[in-house]
Amino acid sequence: QSALTQPASVSGSPGQSIALSCTGTSSDVGGYNFVSWYQHHPGKAPKVMIYDVTNRPSGVSNRFSGSKSGNTASLTISGLQAEDEADYYCTSYTGSSTVFGTGTKVTVL
Amino acid sequence: QVHLVQSGAEVKKPGASVKVSCKASGYTFTDYFIHWVRQAPGQGLEWMGCIDPNNGGTNYAQNFRGRITMSRDRSINTAYMELTSLIYDDTAVYYCARDIPGYSSNYDSWGQGTLVTVSS
Repeated sequence: QSALTQPASVSGSPGQSIALSCTGTSSDVGGYNFVSWYQHHPGKAPKVMIYDVTNRPSGVSNRFSGSKSGNTASLTISGLQAEDEADYYCTSYTGSSTVFGTGTKVTVL
Repeated sequence: QVHLVQSGAEVKKPGASVKVSCKASGYTFTDYFIHWVRQAPGQGLEWMGCIDPNNGGTNYAQNFRGRITMSRDRSINTAYMELTSLIYDDTAVYYCARDIPGYSSNYDSWGQGTLVTVSS
């Protein structure tokens, strides 16, 4: 199972909105509504930000939202803040396992 | 409060095996699957597999089948991940995380990570 494809880096200024993409195939992202997004600050454990494409766990800011179209899922961060600077990984169910994306480094300018 | 506490760092020689533990507290151990995820230096996260502590059922990522074994000891609320035939590329931080049974990925609690270094 190949990793899902994410852009290596995305940047934005404080207050802006950015969108991170996660591209897979009809066998994973496109085939199931089981896409999640994790925020990972170096040296810390990852944190789930979105699960099941659009659901936000309690305690996660509503500045984070998820969506999906075909084989591509997206995470939108609105009102970008300095604390949002981190690595972001998508995951998807594949029918028999779970696969992570390649990861996107978000930089707040 | 939910806690997953992992065993300490390990240094292993190529060809050896490593067994990492993950002790759960603050919830009913058998109500959640335990997943294992690793991150090699400078690389992304990689899903390795999961175990159902209730019945010991496992699901391993294809990349690791044949040299990975996940197990659990319900009497001490601890899950284990053993990786054999270690190679240099297995140098990584290994995490355990819990999730409700199902297809969704919602790892809401993670261990602190265990650094495994493969070095001759």
